[in-house]
Amino acid sequence: SQTIHQWPATLVQPVGSPLSLECTVEGTSNPNLYWYRQAAGRGLQLLFYSVGIGQISSEVPQNLSASRPQDRQFILSSKKLLLSDSGFYLCAFADGQVYEQYFGPGTRLTVT
Amino acid sequence: EDQVTQSPEALRLQEGESSSLNCSYTVSGLRGLFWYRQDPGKGPEFLFTLYSAGEEKEKERLKATLTKKESFLHITAPKPEDSATYLCAVQAKYNFNKFYFGSGTKLNVKP
Repeated sequence: SQTIHQWPATLVQPVGSPLSLECTVEGTSNPNLYWYRQAAGRGLQLLFYSVGIGQISSEVPQNLSASRPQDRQFILSSKKLLLSDSGFYLCAFADGQVYEQYFGPGTRLTVT
Repeated sequence: EDQVTQSPEALRLQEGESSSLNCSYTVSGLRGLFWYRQDPGKGPEFLFTLYSAGEEKEKERLKATLTKKESFLHITAPKPEDSATYLCAVQAKYNFNKFYFGSGTKLNVKP
């Protein structure tokens, strides 16, 4: 079966510090991968997506970047965090054969 | 502009009291409409995909329907464990990697 993992589950970081969030998928090959951010009481905002190793599409210009070093690994990074980067970060994958996206458990990031 | 609006923002029901959640959308060519359930502090859980007007899908006490402008999630005889936020998203034909999400309906079912 297909599973998706994210870590860490929670993170508290000071303003100006770097960030690295990791997402891995099991049970599928060459998935499409996605990073979303969810603000409190808001819908999900797509940040980045990737259709293959090294291929990254950015949806929102901001303080973040993404990389896909391996087929089933997706990383969200920042060199210097801002207060506005706080939120709930979700990774998702889609199998090329179906339309729906499946989400990981999320990372709660608080920038202080 | 492609967008999704969900109503109501919050809904309180007594156990067994049936109701419906609404998802209105505008999109340039619908590829799919999706319903998710999200519990506090967790990632969304996939429920249904609807592809064309007139289509219906059912799962336990939930039934999703689709018209050309909106989708409904009908909840029949809800139980407290159905309490969650329900999210709707649409996918456009011109960019199937981009899902447009609504802000959700927070459902609270009282015993």
